[in-house]
Amino acid sequence: GDSVTQMEGPVTLSEEAFLTINCTYTATGYPSLFWYVQYPGEGLQLLLKATKADDKGSNKGFEATYRKETTSFHLEKGSVQVSDSAVYFCALSAQDNAGKSTFGDGTTLTVKP
Amino acid sequence: DAGITQSPRHKVTETGTPVTLRCHQTENHRYMYWYRQDPGHGLRLIHYSYGVKDTDKGEVSDGYSVSRSKTEDFLLTLESATSSQTSVYFCATQRAGGRVTGELFFGEGSRLTVL
Repeated sequence: GDSVTQMEGPVTLSEEAFLTINCTYTATGYPSLFWYVQYPGEGLQLLLKATKADDKGSNKGFEATYRKETTSFHLEKGSVQVSDSAVYFCALSAQDNAGKSTFGDGTTLTVKP
Repeated sequence: DAGITQSPRHKVTETGTPVTLRCHQTENHRYMYWYRQDPGHGLRLIHYSYGVKDTDKGEVSDGYSVSRSKTEDFLLTLESATSSQTSVYFCATQRAGGRVTGELFFGEGSRLTVL
């Protein structure tokens, strides 16, 4: 079945540091890929997405590129802020799967001033 | 943002009692889902619905049932709560018109503690 593997956390960075959170997936066909963010006490919200190979999703300074050859969708940001502290989830949704999504375990990011 | 509200937001109950969590959406989204979030497991799908009265099981459906009598409401019932069902439960929806995109909209979660 489908699966998503994220780098283990937690991750602690200083403000303005470069962020990478690795995500790899296993799926049949051509899934859409997502990054969701969860701030403390809240539900998940979509951060960015990519629907086909080589697409780059971007939002709020975060970027991720759909790499079919390496089955990866790594999240990056050039300069993190304290307000980026949250839990980040990588997810995939297969086109023929009633829109069901498979999530990674989540990576907790803490940014210190 | 999709208007998705969950109730109750917090509940403490005892082992063996029935519990119902409610998800209400105002966006007329066709698909609705119940996930549970546990440390080290991310989000796992419990049940989902692809229309009124159309539901199916997810990967961790044992001990749970669902019902959807109206587009806007999706109920999750624990028939006889156990301590292993202590978790945070999230409802999510997805619009569907033509191609399904996979993008989910989430409620704020319901924290359930089973003593």
